[in-house]
Amino acid sequence: GAVVSQHPSRVICKSGTSVKIECRSLDFQATTMFWYRQFPKKSLMLMATSNEGSKATYEQGVEKDKFLINHASLTLSTLTVTSAHPEDSSFYICSASPEQSRTDTQYFGPGTRLTVL
Amino acid sequence: AQSVTQLGSHVSVSEGALVLLRCNYSSSVPPYLFWYVQYPNQGLQLLLKYTSAATLVKGINGFEAEFKKSETSFHLTKPSAHMRDAAEYFCAVRFSGNTGKLIFGQGTTLQVKP
Repeated sequence: GAVVSQHPSRVICKSGTSVKIECRSLDFQATTMFWYRQFPKKSLMLMATSNEGSKATYEQGVEKDKFLINHASLTLSTLTVTSAHPEDSSFYICSASPEQSRTDTQYFGPGTRLTVL
Repeated sequence: AQSVTQLGSHVSVSEGALVLLRCNYSSSVPPYLFWYVQYPNQGLQLLLKYTSAATLVKGINGFEAEFKKSETSFHLTKPSAHMRDAAEYFCAVRFSGNTGKLIFGQGTTLQVKP
């Protein structure tokens, strides 16, 4: 149980285009989902927290107009990187938490490798 | 300020040797503590977690960790390393008041030599 999937697993795009990454909780309803970014040989940096049906909460320094997050259902959250540039190339990981009141366990997706040419 | 620190970005052990990965946190209130493992090009897998119950926590793959409040530590151990344990290990903390938000340590790369 508690499986989180991401699609696509890797994507290559041209500079200036937009890319959408999906994060799905396959066997539970996720009231909260998180989006992380991981640079090579580095730790995970939380980008934003999204709650189903409401606006995402972005961490300081993360451009909300650049990284659009939508959490329209209890099993799906999407991250859209708009007007991507080479510096946006990274490994993006989502996680989902099944409990609204005690979000002490996050289940992570397998990640999406984004390369912007 | 609330923070989490992993001492040693790279740890190398021989197969069969003890594994010790260090994690310290900075907080006046004991947080929830987690250890995750990441294999190359994959997401994170939960090894174990401490949520104010037993201070010695047993996880998957033979790993365990002990919460020591006096030392503000949550070190990860395994008595005997296996080649398949080679991976990146992250200590993570959820501080009181930060709903669901995890703060990750810098990560420790575990190398297991034959």
